[in-house]
Amino acid sequence: GAGVSQSPSNKVTEKGKDVELRCDPISGHTALYWYRQSLGQGLEFLIYFQGNSAPDKSGLPSDRFSAERTGGSVSTLTIQRTQQEDSAVYLCASSLTGRSNSGNTIYFGEGSWLTVV
Amino acid sequence: KQEVTQIPAALSVPEGENLVLNCSFTDSAIYNLQWFRQDPGKGLTSLLLIQSSQREQTSGRLNASLDKSSGRSTLYIAASQPGDSATYLCAPIGGSTLGRLYFGRGTQLTVWP
Repeated sequence: GAGVSQSPSNKVTEKGKDVELRCDPISGHTALYWYRQSLGQGLEFLIYFQGNSAPDKSGLPSDRFSAERTGGSVSTLTIQRTQQEDSAVYLCASSLTGRSNSGNTIYFGEGSWLTVV
Repeated sequence: KQEVTQIPAALSVPEGENLVLNCSFTDSAIYNLQWFRQDPGKGLTSLLLIQSSQREQTSGRLNASLDKSSGRSTLYIAASQPGDSATYLCAPIGGSTLGRLYFGRGTQLTVWP
């Protein structure tokens, strides 16, 4: 596609349920990022994938959060046993490469808005 | 850890004014710096990318400068318009944590007719 695509765009779920959020990066982009933004807050780093390297998971807030990237393309962020504090917009971004001196622009999707009730 | 500060936090101006948005960061060992805008309820839209070897980049009415050694970047908006109303975010890239972007809280800009 022309841009980073995320689905679902909106999700309302009950507390305790699991949710999966999907990100389709721009074709050919090897770097993929997940961020989240709670209402009125700044962007919080979650996880970063670069090619076949081990992902940087240091931003995941708890072991209820996990992410995978299959075939170096599509990524899925999974939140298990959702809590109300997980309510936020989850933003995915991609770039041609995340390596240094690449000069590659990072493109964001429109986000997946998650509400836990 | 990279710390990013944006000043001012909010700005409200009449249209036509030339604006200056400031960004400072603590880890100057960056490779690139990118400016974004975020409209309410939307994702981030890339405005400009400045590589560390560059001192500035221009796109239309926008001009961004980078002083890597002092850890500062400035976004200039010329002849502001109501459509420029949004939150502007800067993100230094690289440094001690390669690949991760650190964001400031942004500058919330309102341009009124």
